[in-house]
Amino acid sequence: EVQLLESGGGLVQRGGSLRLSCAGSGFTFRNYAMTWVRQAPGKGLEWVSGISSLSGSTYYTGSVKGRFTISRDNSKNTLYLQMNSLTAEDTAVYYCAKDFRGDYHAFDIWGQGTMVTVSS
Amino acid sequence: QSVLTQPPSVSAAPGQKVTISCSGSSSNIGDRYVSWYQYLPGTAPKLLIYENNKRPSGIPDRFSGSKSGTSATLGITGLQTGDEADYFCGTWDSNLSAGVFGGGTKLTVL
Repeated sequence: EVQLLESGGGLVQRGGSLRLSCAGSGFTFRNYAMTWVRQAPGKGLEWVSGISSLSGSTYYTGSVKGRFTISRDNSKNTLYLQMNSLTAEDTAVYYCAKDFRGDYHAFDIWGQGTMVTVSS
Repeated sequence: QSVLTQPPSVSAAPGQKVTISCSGSSSNIGDRYVSWYQYLPGTAPKLLIYENNKRPSGIPDRFSGSKSGTSATLGITGLQTGDEADYFCGTWDSNLSAGVFGGGTKLTVL
């Protein structure tokens, strides 16, 4: 079964850090670009960050540039999101998703999401 | 304020057809493929349409997509109560060098 499983969410104080992980299985992880998407309470989906299949290219939405770092370990079939200098605006459910077309527009497999809560 | 503009809500009766619009610009929809997702908060989004008008396997042909210029449209025919959800369009923005989603449209099947 093709699946993604996120972990690492939790409650963190403003200014703190968290690292999210996303383990892929059932597909050849190293062949696909991957993406993080979040959904804040009462808000819509927000694309956060993407990484190419071999980590050669990384991309970020403006509000997280300089604070978040996306990475992957293809030997472990795992995607990461290091989140620093967290603010209340980062409170959201974070989803990882598989980009099956490789151009960061079509995400066919999603994880179940992990909640990140930033307290003040 | 989302880069892509969607109506906040649409509604229609069971069995009817509904369309959801997604408006962007030359740096996103005008230049890139568009995808559509069905989303129920707390669950994983489901890909309905990719590359403007293609359906992944398992998505019924009641769902269709189209694109013209800087706008895209999702169509749903034969509405069912199970179609009640939030729908999002998405694409890549070449100016931002980032993915973008619309603000989402809540579909109510009356």
